[in-house]
Amino acid sequence: KAGVTQTPRYLIKTRGQQVTLSCSPISGHRSVSWYQQTPGQGLQFLFEYFSETQRNKGNFPGRFSGRQFSNSRSEMNVSTLELGDSALYLCASSPWTGVATNEKLFFGSGTQLSVL
Amino acid sequence: SQQGEEDPQALSIQEGENATMNCSYKTSINNLQWYRQNSGRGLVHLILIRSNEREKHSGRLRVTLDTSKKSSSLLITASRAADTASYFCATRGNYGQNFVFGPGTRLSVLP
Repeated sequence: KAGVTQTPRYLIKTRGQQVTLSCSPISGHRSVSWYQQTPGQGLQFLFEYFSETQRNKGNFPGRFSGRQFSNSRSEMNVSTLELGDSALYLCASSPWTGVATNEKLFFGSGTQLSVL
Repeated sequence: SQQGEEDPQALSIQEGENATMNCSYKTSINNLQWYRQNSGRGLVHLILIRSNEREKHSGRLRVTLDTSKKSSSLLITASRAADTASYFCATRGNYGQNFVFGPGTRLSVLP
């Protein structure tokens, strides 16, 4: 099975622009979650989607949004970029089926976003 | 929140030595997992321990869980240079809440 694919791998933007990141989960996985990783804050949860519905949302401003498509692929969007948005954005998929079980997360390699 | 905390933040050892990392969390959990991250890459799942388990082994990894103290430890025996990475604990609650990751321990294994 192919792993979790994130595109692009690297991205450079300037303040005020907007950006869209893409994540293709492992085939058959319906749960996709996004994380922001910075040296100072560690891994911060952004949001989680299951069957096109947002299940959980982290404590991020409304500039951060996401969605999931019927094929389970997910995108996240950041509008009006700020310098502090520079980070590694990680996507993870899991076989979670809607019941609290002992599923694990499968991560993509991430998108390194630099905001200048 | 059920934020996990890990210590030490950084650990440097020689090849062949054992490495121990600790993780603490704040609320009830369904399970606790450990992940590894090589520099600038995605995380890789290492091992999962359920809330009703006390110890689990996988190859050179040994994980313990003490729910009364809300803490876990990861032991890597006979470390190798290839074990150099950051290690994170992650917890998930009983009601499908999102995973919460600790700040991680950066392990350096010197040849």
